[in-house]
Amino acid sequence: KAGVTQTPRYLIKTRGQQVTLSCSPISGHRSVSWYQQTPGQGLQFLFEYFSETQRNKGNFPGRFSGRQFSNSRSEMNVSTLELGDSALYLCASSGTGDEKLFFGSGTQLSVL
Amino acid sequence: QKEVEQNSGPLSVPEGAIASLNCTYSDRGSQSFFWYRQYSGKSPELIMFIYSNGDKEDGRFTAQLNKASQYVSLLIRDSQPSDSATYLCAVISGGSYIPTFGRGTSLIVHP
Repeated sequence: KAGVTQTPRYLIKTRGQQVTLSCSPISGHRSVSWYQQTPGQGLQFLFEYFSETQRNKGNFPGRFSGRQFSNSRSEMNVSTLELGDSALYLCASSGTGDEKLFFGSGTQLSVL
Repeated sequence: QKEVEQNSGPLSVPEGAIASLNCTYSDRGSQSFFWYRQYSGKSPELIMFIYSNGDKEDGRFTAQLNKASQYVSLLIRDSQPSDSATYLCAVISGGSYIPTFGRGTSLIVHP
């Protein structure tokens, strides 16, 4: 069974640009969550999607958005990038009713 | 504000020793508790979960939960250099399924 797949693995952008990250969950998993990880703040919850609906949202500005498609694949978008957005962005999927998270390899975003 | 606290470490133990990692949480309504291991440059991987007070053992790992004192711990017996990683504690409150993560404890097992 394939794991959670995130693309791209690395991204370098400049301030003001926007970026889209992609996540394909484990087959059969309908919940996809996104996290931002930085050395200073640890793992911070961005949002969670289930069956194409955003079920939960963390405390991030509106520049951070996401969506989920009918095949459960999810994308995350960050607009008007700031230097502080440099981080590892992790996607995790879970089965219905299951609290265990399975993480992808992450996308390392560097904003210059 | 739900908080999960961990000592950042590093915790250094010799090979073969028992490593003890601790985590405290603020929300008394918390019901599910997880330990994730994250190797440097890799993503977190679930290694243990516990829901009830007491101990839960899985191989060399034991999770301990004390809801009255609001702490959860992870014991690693016969520590190996391959156990060197950051260990993240995650807690889910009742009525939610979104975990709050601690910042992690760095464990170094030296030969």
